[in-house]
Amino acid sequence: EAGVTQFPSHSVIEKGQTVTLRCDPISGHDNLYWYRRVMGKEIKFLLHFVKESKQDESGMPNNRFLAERTGGTYSTLKVQPAELEDSGVYFCASSQDSRTPITYGYTFGSGTRLTVV
Amino acid sequence: SQELEQSPQSLIVQEGKNLTINCTSSKTLYGLYWYKQKYGEGLIFLMMLQKGGEEKSHEKITAKLDEKKQQSSLHITASQPSHAGIYLCGADNNQGGKLIFGQGTELSVKP
Repeated sequence: EAGVTQFPSHSVIEKGQTVTLRCDPISGHDNLYWYRRVMGKEIKFLLHFVKESKQDESGMPNNRFLAERTGGTYSTLKVQPAELEDSGVYFCASSQDSRTPITYGYTFGSGTRLTVV
Repeated sequence: SQELEQSPQSLIVQEGKNLTINCTSSKTLYGLYWYKQKYGEGLIFLMMLQKGGEEKSHEKITAKLDEKKQQSSLHITASQPSHAGIYLCGADNNQGGKLIFGQGTELSVKP
């Protein structure tokens, strides 16, 4: 079974540009989560999808961030325009349903390292 | 809001030594997860604890959740270089929602 896939693995962009990160969850997983770790701080929750619906977007920092999950499969996270403080590692995670994490945890991708210069 | 405090923040041990990492919550824990991350890789699920006093083991790693469900410890016996990485504790509301993470403990094991 393929794991959670994220790409690109690294992205370096200039301030003001737009970047789109993609996450492919494990096939059949309805729940998809985005997290971010900025330098020196803990990993923080951004957003939770259940299928194509946003269940919880309380962690989205501001309206420069837009997450979508059309069709309930893969998800994209777009940052437009990017600012220096957006630099960090963006993780995606998925789980099949609310009971799965008890046994298997949430499955995380390898992350996208975003650097805004 | 709930916060998780991990200690120590970093740890260097000699191969073969035992070590313990602690995770303390500001609120009662419903589900406590331990993950390991190696540089450039994703988070690897180690184990999840739910019940007060619960203890789980996987190979040489044991995690416990105290009776009051506000602290968890991760114990590694006879550490090896392969144990090196960042260990993270995370908490959720036990309903498949978001995880709150501690800041992580960076472990180095010297051969």
